[in-house]
Amino acid sequence: DTAVSQTPKYLVTQMGNDKSIKCEQNLGHDTMYWYKQDSKKFLKIMFSYNNKELIINETVPNRFSPKSPDKAHLNLHINSLELGDSAVYFCASSQGTGTYSYNSPLHFGNGTRLTVT
Amino acid sequence: AQTVTQSQPEMSVQEAETVTLSCTYDTSESDYYLFWYKQPPSRQMILVIRQEAYKQQNATENRFSVNFQKAAKSFSLKISDSQLGDAAMYFCAYRGFYGGSQGNLIFGKGTKLSVKP
Repeated sequence: DTAVSQTPKYLVTQMGNDKSIKCEQNLGHDTMYWYKQDSKKFLKIMFSYNNKELIINETVPNRFSPKSPDKAHLNLHINSLELGDSAVYFCASSQGTGTYSYNSPLHFGNGTRLTVT
Repeated sequence: AQTVTQSQPEMSVQEAETVTLSCTYDTSESDYYLFWYKQPPSRQMILVIRQEAYKQQNATENRFSVNFQKAAKSFSLKISDSQLGDAAMYFCAYRGFYGGSQGNLIFGKGTKLSVKP
C-alpha cells in the first residue's frame, strides 16, 4: 500500500480555473505538508498542518488553501489559477506533535504536475 | 531563518567510483536534524540518510555515508561504489528540533548527479 498518495498525477487546466489536489497518508502521522517544486527543482514549503495548527508560508498567495477533513487527509485547493502556478506539488507527512519535530523524516507522495495554460 | 546551500549544481561520477556531494547550512539552533533526499527522474522523493545534530558519529546507510561537521555547519554525502541507479537529483535538507514552523523541512537547491558507465 502506498504510504502517501496524491491525485491526480497530472493536471492540465486553463488560467482562471479552480482546481484541487487530494492527498492521503496511511502512516498514522499527525503532521502533513504541501511543498511546491518549481521548474528549477527548488522545493519550498507552502503549508504544514498537524490537526491543531495550520502554519502558512507567508509567501503563499491566499488563492491557495489547504483543507483537512481528518488527520489522514490534506487537500490543496487553488482558486483563479495563474501561469506562474505551474509546478510540481508534493504532499508529505511526518510524525511531529507540534512542540517537537523529532527525528522523523518526511514521507512524500509522488507529486502532481500542474500545468496552467 | 535557516538556510541550506548546495554549491554544486551538477556532479558526475564513473560507475563504481566514489563521489561526495557538498552541503552547508546556517542556523542558530544547537539541536536539529539533517537529511539527504534523492529524486530520480520518476519524481519520487526518497530518503537516503539522516543525522541528528547531537550525535557526533556520522550516519551510514550501506553505500551512503555522511561527513557531519557541526562547527563548520557542513553535511556532505559520500556515495561509494556508485551505480547507474544512483543518478538523480540529491537534496540536502534541514529540520529544526522544535515543532511549528521550525519543524518544516528546508531544502537546498539540489545537486544533479550523473553516473557514467
